[in-house]
Amino acid sequence: GQQVMQIPQYQHVQEGEDFTTYCNSSTTLSNIQWYKQRPGGHPVFLIQLVKSGEVKKQKRLTFQFGEAKKNSSLHITATQTTDVGTYFCAGPTGRRALTFGSGTRLQVQP
Amino acid sequence: DTAVSQTPKYLVTQMGNDKSIKCEQNLGHDTMYWYKQDSKKFLKIMFSYNNKELIINETVPNRFSPKSPDKAHLNLHINSLELGDSAVYFCASSQGGDRVHEQYFGPGTRLTVT
Repeated sequence: GQQVMQIPQYQHVQEGEDFTTYCNSSTTLSNIQWYKQRPGGHPVFLIQLVKSGEVKKQKRLTFQFGEAKKNSSLHITATQTTDVGTYFCAGPTGRRALTFGSGTRLQVQP
Repeated sequence: DTAVSQTPKYLVTQMGNDKSIKCEQNLGHDTMYWYKQDSKKFLKIMFSYNNKELIINETVPNRFSPKSPDKAHLNLHINSLELGDSAVYFCASSQGGDRVHEQYFGPGTRLTVT
């Protein structure tokens, strides 16, 4: 079945440093979604990428969808303590559901 | 206004008991889901309903039974609870249609089985 892996599993940065998480799918994706889950909270939708090679920005967050539509990345510039949480990528399974990646947990040291 | 709500937020119970978790969404969405998140934060789909019809039933023990009385509600009943059922259960909803739209999650129910 479809597998979606993320690396790294965990990253600890100093506030102000950059952070990147990478997402790789075993199959080609029609689109990819990103979610953020704060500690003790629930996943919250951030963005969806649809086109091959697409790049989207939300303030300090930059999302990229690979040319082959099998990988994606999320880059955060100059992290802040409010960025703490687990970031998940997710791709459609073909049965109107999502397969979530394993998640990258981000810790930001003030 | 809470978009996707779940009750209860916490559930502590003993092995062998039967329990239910309720979920309601007021977003007018056609599709609702149940996810299980384990201690390592893996989010795994359990069930998916579209317009009250089951469309996904992953390899979940048949002790778990979802029920959708209407489009806005998807409840989860668990029989004969086991220690391994301890996890956070999230309900979610999304628009229907051919493609998978963004999902809106409830606050989660932390189930602890002792």
